[in-house]
Amino acid sequence: GESVGLHLPTLSVQEGDNSIINCAYSNSASDYFIWYKQESGKGPQFIIDIRSNMDKRQGQRVTVLLNKTVKHLSLQIAATQPGDSAVYFCAEGDTGRRALTFGSGTRLQVQP
Amino acid sequence: DGGITQSPKYLFRKEGQNVTLSCEQNLNHDAMYWYRQDPGQGLRLIYYSQIVNDFQKGDIAEGYSVSREKKESFPLTVTSAQKNPTAFYLCASSIVGGDNQPQHFGDGTRLSIL
Repeated sequence: GESVGLHLPTLSVQEGDNSIINCAYSNSASDYFIWYKQESGKGPQFIIDIRSNMDKRQGQRVTVLLNKTVKHLSLQIAATQPGDSAVYFCAEGDTGRRALTFGSGTRLQVQP
Repeated sequence: DGGITQSPKYLFRKEGQNVTLSCEQNLNHDAMYWYRQDPGQGLRLIYYSQIVNDFQKGDIAEGYSVSREKKESFPLTVTSAQKNPTAFYLCASSIVGGDNQPQHFGDGTRLSIL
């Protein structure tokens, strides 16, 4: 079946650097995308979302980029901090489906 | 503060035993969801409910049951028919059902077998 996946299972960056987490999706009908952050032993926390009529959206220190041509989604974190260390999930949905489809996650490790 | 509360945080099940995981939300959301998370994997949908007194099977519903008698509550029962129940269970809610809006998550229940 169609699914959401991630290119890199683990990403290690230095504190203060920018981080980029990538996600590929295969459902061309997907029109909504969302990024979650999950810390150990906790539930996923909403970071930012984007709809298919946009190609970029910015939040506080985070930017999501959507390239519908190649079905690619990325999350950019500026000035990465130790508190950003977590697993990051992308999820996608399309109109009429019952719930979001989640990828397997990328672990971000921030080195001091 | 509004949010989703899951209890207990840790739960142990004996062979042949049914256990029930609690999920309560005070966000006034219509839709609620149950997911299972295994180590190093994404979330898989067990059951979802778009409105009170209605619920639908997700991708891995076998061995699980739910009820939705109140808007605020969506308990999940892991039955003895679920042969591999050890996992992290996450409950979520959204304003309305569907897939084009954020789902808000609780902090999960970790279920283990004795």
